[in-house]
Amino acid sequence: QVQLVQSGAEVKKPGASVKVSCKASAYTFTNYNLHWVRQAPGQGLEWMGIIRPSGETAVHMFQDRLTMTRDTSTNTVFMELSSLRSEDTALYYCATEPALGYKFDYWGQGTLVTVSS
Amino acid sequence: EIVLTQSPGTLSLSPGERAILSCRASQSVSSTYLAWYQQKPGQAPRLLIYGASSRATGIPDRFSGSGSGTDFTLTISRLEPEDFAVYYCQQYGSSYIFGQGTKLEIK
Repeated sequence: QVQLVQSGAEVKKPGASVKVSCKASAYTFTNYNLHWVRQAPGQGLEWMGIIRPSGETAVHMFQDRLTMTRDTSTNTVFMELSSLRSEDTALYYCATEPALGYKFDYWGQGTLVTVSS
Repeated sequence: EIVLTQSPGTLSLSPGERAILSCRASQSVSSTYLAWYQQKPGQAPRLLIYGASSRATGIPDRFSGSGSGTDFTLTISRLEPEDFAVYYCQQYGSSYIFGQGTKLEIK
């Protein structure tokens, strides 16, 4: 059974950075795309970006603020969001997509990031 | 960028009834790239349908997807109490876009 386990909740001040981890078991990231999706309180789902098996990343609407990396030795992917503002308060999810699958078939449990002064 | 518009925003039905949820794209989308998710309060989304009409593993056959081009539909043939949730469509174009969601609530 594929499992994605994310790091715990974070509270950050405006302007700070946050780094969220997503550890996979039962398969390796090098065979799948890994996505980050966030959900502001009471709102819908917003796709943030992708890290591909090659390690290549693509970011949507976060320009220079979002960095995605991975540690293949521990099967862990990281999402770092910088210059945090109150609007970044959200649940952050990682999710897998099999190659050319166009479907997010497994999801992490979510990490709540709260940005508050 | 393609925009997905889901309707209705909220759908109020009773268990046993049929639910029809709509997802309309601002431009034509390949059926291969259209998926549906269910999200219950406090839970991560769950994949229901991919490729517009293929059920994901373990999804009951009362869930079905259809459509092509710009108009896609998720149908739940006979609502069970556990089906009341929020449903999102998603498409892949140059990026992975979600619709704004339809809340399916108990009438």
